[in-house]
Amino acid sequence: DTAVSQTPKYLVTQMGNDKSIKCEQNLGHDTMYWYKQDSKKFLKIMFSYNNKELIINETVPNRFSPKSPDKAHLNLHINSLELGDSAVYFCASSHRQVNTEAFFGQGTRLTVV
Amino acid sequence: AQSVTQPDIHITVSEGASLELRCNYSYGATPYLFWYVQSPGQGLQLLLKYFSGDTLVQGIKGFEAEFKRSQSSFNLRKPSVHWSDAAEYFCAVGARTGNQFYFGTGTSLTVIP
Repeated sequence: DTAVSQTPKYLVTQMGNDKSIKCEQNLGHDTMYWYKQDSKKFLKIMFSYNNKELIINETVPNRFSPKSPDKAHLNLHINSLELGDSAVYFCASSHRQVNTEAFFGQGTRLTVV
Repeated sequence: AQSVTQPDIHITVSEGASLELRCNYSYGATPYLFWYVQSPGQGLQLLLKYFSGDTLVQGIKGFEAEFKRSQSSFNLRKPSVHWSDAAEYFCAVGARTGNQFYFGTGTSLTVIP
């Protein structure tokens, strides 16, 4: 059973399009995250949600909009895609109040052409 | 502000040799500390974690790490490297209040026969 699952795994799209990446966790965690990994492997936190409430919103263009319909899901919608959005996007989850690590999905490789 | 520094961008070791990957952190209080490994095309897998107590922690795949408060370091070690250890390694710091995980820039490990 996959703990944190993302779909799709690969996404190739043209500039200007709108796309979404879905994430689901079955670990019972109350906090979920989106990270962006660039071509140099640097992992940057984008958003953090706790019980569907936005906790962290780093300096991310407002073309990126996270949506959390419930605490097991955190989707990422990207409007007007740009070449610089090409990266691997990771979803993760953790408990907020318990000493624990973050569990990561397998990543979504987004390529904007 | 919290930050994690991994001074070595790339390390090459021979199979069977020992390994040490360096990690220094900056944080206002005692942080949670983690090491993750990322194999090509994969998500991040937790190797080990430190929350409190014994400063030498054991992880999976024969890895260990030592927390040194005086040096703000959390270096990862393995006595004998296997070819399958070739991967990207990330050190991370997590906040004790609210869940935030911040990653270093990663160290790429190459293992030669």
